[in-house]
Amino acid sequence: DADVTQTPRNRITKTGKRIMLECSQTKGHDRMYWYRQDPGLGLQLIYYSFDVKDINKGEISDGYSVSRQAQAKFSLSLESAIPNQTALYFCATEDSAALKQFFGPGTRLTVL
Amino acid sequence: GDSVTQMEGPVTLSEEAFLTINCTYTATGYPSLFWYVQYPGEGLQLLLKATKADDKGSNKGFEATYRKETTSFHLEKGSVQVSDSAVYFCALSDRGGSQGNLIFGKGTKLSVKP
Repeated sequence: DADVTQTPRNRITKTGKRIMLECSQTKGHDRMYWYRQDPGLGLQLIYYSFDVKDINKGEISDGYSVSRQAQAKFSLSLESAIPNQTALYFCATEDSAALKQFFGPGTRLTVL
Repeated sequence: GDSVTQMEGPVTLSEEAFLTINCTYTATGYPSLFWYVQYPGEGLQLLLKATKADDKGSNKGFEATYRKETTSFHLEKGSVQVSDSAVYFCALSDRGGSQGNLIFGKGTKLSVKP
């Protein structure tokens, strides 16, 4: 089984809808991240969490919110989706001692 | 703020050719440097890393040396294979900064032809 899973893998929605992307991990890591990938722009950090009680905004947090329900779960919500939020979204965990991040397979979101 | 600049792609090579993907960085502290690889349809995977100046990271035939004097971390491989076709991301982590996260370059797509 994959160590970092994301659901759904693909989602098409309409402008104005609320969307939740979920991430689960079995690696036991405290640190978790949500990134957005757009063609030619690399990955941009949306939110990150160093433990269940610690949530931090990344460089592009506007229009997004997160919830860290447990060490293993970190959800990303789009309160009112807009077309320029169409992108590939990645969740990651981090082994902070090894300075290594482990990425999920990604969720492809299309907002019409 | 901290940033990473890597050569734009796409890069197309024949099998067994020599590969160099350039990466330079700007950071206020003493960052750790990384190369991540993204195969088609997958998430990113750590390829190699270096945590201090003059360190050489290596994995699967790829190498990169942390050069503080030139603020560079170029990725090299002596003989590429078709299976190396992927997008390569250079990244830095400056834990002394305000965010404990990775800062990525824009990625370089490599295509290796048989």
